[in-house]
Amino acid sequence: DSGVTQTPKHLITATGQRVTLRCSPRSGDLSVYWYQQSLDQGLQFLIQYYNGEERAKGNILERFSAQQFPDLHSELNLSSLELGDSALYFCASSVGASGGSETQYFGPGTRLLVL
Amino acid sequence: ELKVEQNPLFLSMQEGKNYTIYCNYSTTSDRLYWYRQDPGKSLESLFVLLSNGAVKQEGRLMASLDTKARLSTLHITAAVHDLSATYFCAVDNNAGNMLTFGGGTRLMVKP
Repeated sequence: DSGVTQTPKHLITATGQRVTLRCSPRSGDLSVYWYQQSLDQGLQFLIQYYNGEERAKGNILERFSAQQFPDLHSELNLSSLELGDSALYFCASSVGASGGSETQYFGPGTRLLVL
Repeated sequence: ELKVEQNPLFLSMQEGKNYTIYCNYSTTSDRLYWYRQDPGKSLESLFVLLSNGAVKQEGRLMASLDTKARLSTLHITAAVHDLSATYFCAVDNNAGNMLTFGGGTRLMVKP
């Protein structure tokens, strides 16, 4: 158990809908990262937040957005869902914002199925 | 754009044998990470390699990093069934906030 929690574990929804995925980082970690894992794209970095502010952006679609709240939990919002958004979404956390030897610790993931 | 390639993508081996997984990356970076993922599970951190020539060992796994060759290896010694999993290498962007993952190596160790 990495100490990173994600809810829900599974989510089934329809095309065009909007969902919110939630992540709580390990105690003491200020950075939260979101990744998408799919069969065709592999593991892709989406976005990073550090202490409430966006720090890095990867291959995140405009239909997706994220935020980190004062209590450091983070939410990933996915809207206008398409079949291709079906994937496993991981949240990871680390202590700092960048650099150093920090390991990113991954949560259990949310499996999203868009029908 | 940073690209990370692993090979092989799939590896079936007998218990007791040795093998090496290779991870090549396309741009300069001196930080490389190895993760393990069991089916349907999350990613577990195995090794963090932070400099050229870094070598780390844990049990039957040993990882090394050659930043000049842009190559990391994960060597498996005397494989056992419990090592069956998918192994990912990941390289960061030197700002430490974005990991680019390889495609993964699915390892199956047969009794």
